[in-house]
Amino acid sequence: SAVISQKPSRDICQRGTSLTIQCQVDSQVTMMFWYRQQPGQSLTLIATANQGSEATYESGFVIDKFPISRPNLTFSTLTVSNMSPEDSSIYLCSAGRGETQYFGPGTRLLVL
Amino acid sequence: GESVGLHLPTLSVQEGDNSIINCAYSNSASDYFIWYKQESGKGPQFIIDIRSNMDKRQGQRVTVLLNKTVKHLSLQIAATQPGDSAVYFCAENISYNNNDMRFGAGTRLTVKP
Repeated sequence: SAVISQKPSRDICQRGTSLTIQCQVDSQVTMMFWYRQQPGQSLTLIATANQGSEATYESGFVIDKFPISRPNLTFSTLTVSNMSPEDSSIYLCSAGRGETQYFGPGTRLLVL
Repeated sequence: GESVGLHLPTLSVQEGDNSIINCAYSNSASDYFIWYKQESGKGPQFIIDIRSNMDKRQGQRVTVLLNKTVKHLSLQIAATQPGDSAVYFCAENISYNNNDMRFGAGTRLTVKP
């Protein structure tokens, strides 16, 4: 398995501002993923972050809104830019190990 | 597009009873499946996985069954306990040699004392 931490665990932000979420894995992994989870709903993949290359975004998500960094094999960041109340959600990062993904605890974001 | 889905959005069981959570998938090329448990305020936690060359796999108090003919996956929890109360997601690996996964809608399991 993999132990994954995220910071911050939660935040309340004003619309128009940006928030950067950090994800740290306890060991090197090739693939990391960022998801959004609306309350009471399933996980929606935002993008896949591979070290040394540009992130790959899913349909409906764009780099300008959700820029991602992947500077090394244990760390990634997701920025939620120019936030609006519709961005209020749980943001989860995960790390790929074998064919499985292991998840961090999530970042709970509320945009006012 | 192809997707993974669940039959039941909520399930309530009595403590000590067995629970069965179902999942239907439509991607016949998927060859690896995982069940996750997500407790309130936490990230999804890996429970058990199964490959498409198997039809059953058992863990501690949990069993996953795979029926490829009807593209159906189920999670059985024996002697359900209050600590089993959570949302359960099935997920399928849609890309071989990759971690790319798609998640079902989730089922909320509530265990009554």
